[in-house]
Amino acid sequence: KAGVTQTPRYLIKTRGQQVTLSCSPISGHRSVSWYQQTPGQGLQFLFEYFSETQRNKGNFPGRFSGRQFSNSRSEMNVSTLELGDSALYLCASSQDRGGNSPLHFGNGTRLTVT
Amino acid sequence: QKEVEQNSGPLSVPEGAIASLNCTYSDRGSQSFFWYRQYSGKSPELIMSIYSNGDKEDGRFTAQLNKASQYVSLLIRDSQPSDSATYLCAVSGAAGNKLTFGGGTRVLVKP
Repeated sequence: KAGVTQTPRYLIKTRGQQVTLSCSPISGHRSVSWYQQTPGQGLQFLFEYFSETQRNKGNFPGRFSGRQFSNSRSEMNVSTLELGDSALYLCASSQDRGGNSPLHFGNGTRLTVT
Repeated sequence: QKEVEQNSGPLSVPEGAIASLNCTYSDRGSQSFFWYRQYSGKSPELIMSIYSNGDKEDGRFTAQLNKASQYVSLLIRDSQPSDSATYLCAVSGAAGNKLTFGGGTRVLVKP
């Protein structure tokens, strides 16, 4: 069974631009969660989608948004990029909703904002 | 108080010894607990899950859960240099709640 696939692996953007990251979950997994990882803050929860609906949201500004499609694939969008948005963005899928079953992580997208 | 707390380390252990990692959490309603391993530059990978009080063993790894004291621990027996990584504790709250991660403990196994 294929794992969680995230694209692209690396991105370099300029302040003020927007970016869209993509995540394909493990086949059969209906929940997709997104996390931001930085050296200073560790793994911070962004949001979780289940059955195309956002079920949980972390403490991030509205510039961070996401969506999930009927095939469970998910996208995350960050608008008006700031230098502080530079991070590793991790997508994780699970069979059940957040916390009930283990998360399986993709390889991440490393975003650099200059 | 952070929701999930871990000692950042590094925890230095000689090869062949037991590495003991601890994690405390603040939400008494937490139901699911996970340990992940993350190598430098890689994404977290699941090592263990534990849902009820007591010990759970899987190979060289043992997870221990004590809900009354609100801590979960991970023991790595016969530590190998390949076990050198950051170990993340993750805790979920009530059913359907998000998974919250601790800051991780860096483990260094010296040959």
